[in-house]
Amino acid sequence: KNEVEQSPQNLTAQEGEFITINCSYSVGISALHWLQQHPGGGIVSLFMLSSGKKKHGRLIATINIQEKHSSLHITASHPRDSAVYICAVRYGGSARQLTFGSGTQLTVLP
Amino acid sequence: NAGVMQNPRHLVRRRGQEARLRCSPMKGHSHVYWYRQLPEEGLKFMVYLQKENIIDESGMPKERFSAEFPKEGPSILRIQQVVRGDSAAYFCASSKGANQPQHFGDGTRLSIL
Repeated sequence: KNEVEQSPQNLTAQEGEFITINCSYSVGISALHWLQQHPGGGIVSLFMLSSGKKKHGRLIATINIQEKHSSLHITASHPRDSAVYICAVRYGGSARQLTFGSGTQLTVLP
Repeated sequence: NAGVMQNPRHLVRRRGQEARLRCSPMKGHSHVYWYRQLPEEGLKFMVYLQKENIIDESGMPKERFSAEFPKEGPSILRIQQVVRGDSAAYFCASSKGANQPQHFGDGTRLSIL
């Protein structure tokens, strides 16, 4: 079964803390997305990666293809980072659609 | 801002009515994907279309749901004879090519009375 597992489900942090959200998947993929969703809001694509590491501002995403694992890090977290973070994968072969994890609800307290 | 545009943002329908959800992809994007987010659940794939063609509809319910992406105009997700269980947020995403990043719209929140 093709599954995408995220941990933790919920995460509360103090402003300024370093945040890590994890994602693991069961079979080979061609790409992995990290997405952000604010309550009642749209979905913003943060990263798409197939190997290595990407950085944008305070956000860093890494992927280990052999371990079938990815992490999203937020440095110097801020209350405006509070949102649901979703990992999504595109499996190999002819698949083009994304398969999503259940999301991580992040709350950053001032 | 030439992002993915979805309308309406909110749609209320009574049971048995039809719902039409529209998605205009980003400029230059010819690949469109529809996803559904049921209350308290994760996002699930519904259908993948290119201009005038349905490529993969493996996530679409067999009855009452249809999608199109005509040569001119937006992609349309159509739900006939809506039921309470259709209440959800419907998101559209578009990409320039099949293996390119997908960009999401703000979604349409469908409520069935």
